[in-house]
Amino acid sequence: AQSVAQPEDQVNVAEGNPLTVKCTYSVSGNPYLFWYVQYPNRGLQFLLKYITGDNLVKGSYGFEAEFNKSQTSFHLKKPSALVSDSALYFCAVRDISGGYQKVTFGTGTKLQVIP
Amino acid sequence: GAGVSQSPSNKVTEKGKDVELRCDPISGHTALYWYRQSLGQGLEFLIYFQGNSAPDKSGLPSDRFSAERTGGSVSTLTIQRTQQEDSAVYLCASSPGQDWPNSPLHFGNGTRLTVT
Repeated sequence: AQSVAQPEDQVNVAEGNPLTVKCTYSVSGNPYLFWYVQYPNRGLQFLLKYITGDNLVKGSYGFEAEFNKSQTSFHLKKPSALVSDSALYFCAVRDISGGYQKVTFGTGTKLQVIP
Repeated sequence: GAGVSQSPSNKVTEKGKDVELRCDPISGHTALYWYRQSLGQGLEFLIYFQGNSAPDKSGLPSDRFSAERTGGSVSTLTIQRTQQEDSAVYLCASSPGQDWPNSPLHFGNGTRLTVT
């Protein structure tokens, strides 16, 4: 069975500082990894994905994520945080073994960027 | 273009009543998902539809929950004899059938269900 872990319920970072939101995963086959962001009272919005290729993927709003196969991690990063980045972030994995499309989400990490 | 539409946006119901939540996916998307988001919790998978295949109902928490998808488009999630623990935000998402698994999910804004 596939699973995703986000070990931090909340991350606080000062505006202008780099940020990291952690994610680890477990799948039986090759992982298809995604990050989503949820602003208050809104649905989730897609940020970026890793399918194959370069371990560093770039996405929307200046976010990037680093895929590490040996550590089964897919941490979300941004070089310089903005107050407007404050939101709830979800990591997700899609395990395609057997042609299955189920997408499993982590419990989410609340990012608070302090002015 | 139009995104995933969910209705109602808010629903307050009395314990024991039945409720229906509706999801209109993006036109042409063959995959449709329902998730539940409770306060302080992550996204709990409920059910998944893909084209004409049998749905994956493995996430439905009890037999009070059911869902259908008519004509491969609109989906309705029904909760019978609602309980207070059913209070949550119910999110619907759709995804194109082609080019999976690359395609991300497109989410609606959700239905906030409150059972009093």
